[in-house]
Amino acid sequence: AQKVTQAQTEISVVEKEDVTLDCVYETRDTTYYLFWYKQPPSGELVFLIRRNSFDEQNEISGRYSWNFQKSTSSFNFTITASQVVDSAVYFCALSEPGANSKLTFGKGITLSVRP
Amino acid sequence: SAVISQKPSRDICQRGTSLTIQCQVDSQVTMMFWYRQQPGQSLTLIATANQGSEATYESGFVIDKFPISRPNLTFSTLTVSNMSPEDSSIYLCSVNPTGQSTYEQYFGPGTRLTVT
Repeated sequence: AQKVTQAQTEISVVEKEDVTLDCVYETRDTTYYLFWYKQPPSGELVFLIRRNSFDEQNEISGRYSWNFQKSTSSFNFTITASQVVDSAVYFCALSEPGANSKLTFGKGITLSVRP
Repeated sequence: SAVISQKPSRDICQRGTSLTIQCQVDSQVTMMFWYRQQPGQSLTLIATANQGSEATYESGFVIDKFPISRPNLTFSTLTVSNMSPEDSSIYLCSVNPTGQSTYEQYFGPGTRLTVT
């Protein structure tokens, strides 16, 4: 069975601080896919990134960066110079091949960025 | 990607009644999914709806309570039957445009349901 753990539940930072959101996953498959989604107060889930298990390269997109480490089964997300608009709930998710694309979500991390 | 709309966006319903939620996609997709997000909680998959076949329900969800229709490749409905306050949640549909597990799912805006 697959599992995604987001141990942090709520994080509060002041604008311009850097913040890292942790994600640890469990799966028996050697091939799997990891995702991050953002859910702003409006409620809609916004796709941020997809990473497959064979690609351990870190990725940077503007102020966002992701650190994937298979050795520790972690896929952490860092926001640099946070802004108030980053305030949202962030979900990490896992998908396995052959599982009809079913996504298993973590419990989510509520990030509050204060001015 | 895909653009997904849901109707209604929110509703307040009385216990014992039923509500049908519609999900419309701007392109043809094989796989559609229905999720429930209870207040302050994560997303839980209710069922997978593929066109031309019966929906596949996850453990804890049954067809009598959550009947699903998938009449074509761009549309699906989820009915929440005989509602109780415990059904108060956000219900989201999502699609996987490629049908491949390597690809991300795109989500609709959700339907906020309150049962009184």
